[in-house]
Amino acid sequence: AQSVTQLGSHVSVSEGALVLLRCNYSSSVPPYLFWYVQYPNQGLQLLLKYTTGATLVKGINGFEAEFKKSETSFHLTKPSAHMSDAAEYFCAVSESGSNDYKLSFGAGTTVTVRA
Amino acid sequence: GAGVSQSPSNKVTEKGKDVELRCDPISGHTALYWYRQSLGQGLEFLIYFQGNSAPDKSGLPSDRFSAERTGGSVSTLTIQRTQQEDSAVYLCASSLAGRGADTQYFGPGTRLTVL
Repeated sequence: AQSVTQLGSHVSVSEGALVLLRCNYSSSVPPYLFWYVQYPNQGLQLLLKYTTGATLVKGINGFEAEFKKSETSFHLTKPSAHMSDAAEYFCAVSESGSNDYKLSFGAGTTVTVRA
Repeated sequence: GAGVSQSPSNKVTEKGKDVELRCDPISGHTALYWYRQSLGQGLEFLIYFQGNSAPDKSGLPSDRFSAERTGGSVSTLTIQRTQQEDSAVYLCASSLAGRGADTQYFGPGTRLTVL
């Protein structure tokens, strides 16, 4: 099974500052990669995903992520944090082959935005 | 349009009782997933249904857990003889098909508390 590591369980940023959330995975075979956001008492909402093609992926709410095969990473960034970005963020990676519907999730990173 | 819905939103039960959790996927989605989200284990895959194919039950933690999907739509997750370690948020997701690149759309979850 895939192993997904999110560096930092909590990140605090000032409003207007860069948001950088790190995600590394274990597979040597390029999987499908996802970032989800979870607001309190809600389900997960897709921010963006990488499936094929361009390695810089743009998502909703101004977020983007870059797939780096050589580093097995898929870090999430947003140039300028907004108060509404306070939430928990999960990186997810698919299995390879016929089980690619199965997602493995990182432990999550809680983002706090300071005014 | 309507998203994935789950009921109940909260369930409190006594140890040893059986519980049923319900999931209504997005109309037209052939793939349905159950995940468990707990403090100790993070987000874990439980089970996957795709059309009329045999489900992938590889993530079910014990034989007390079972799930069915009737008519290719609604799904019920049943936990028999609940234990305190079953306390978690149970999330359901659906996708258009069971391909790894497909976006999984999540419901708001059912918070289960076993006393």
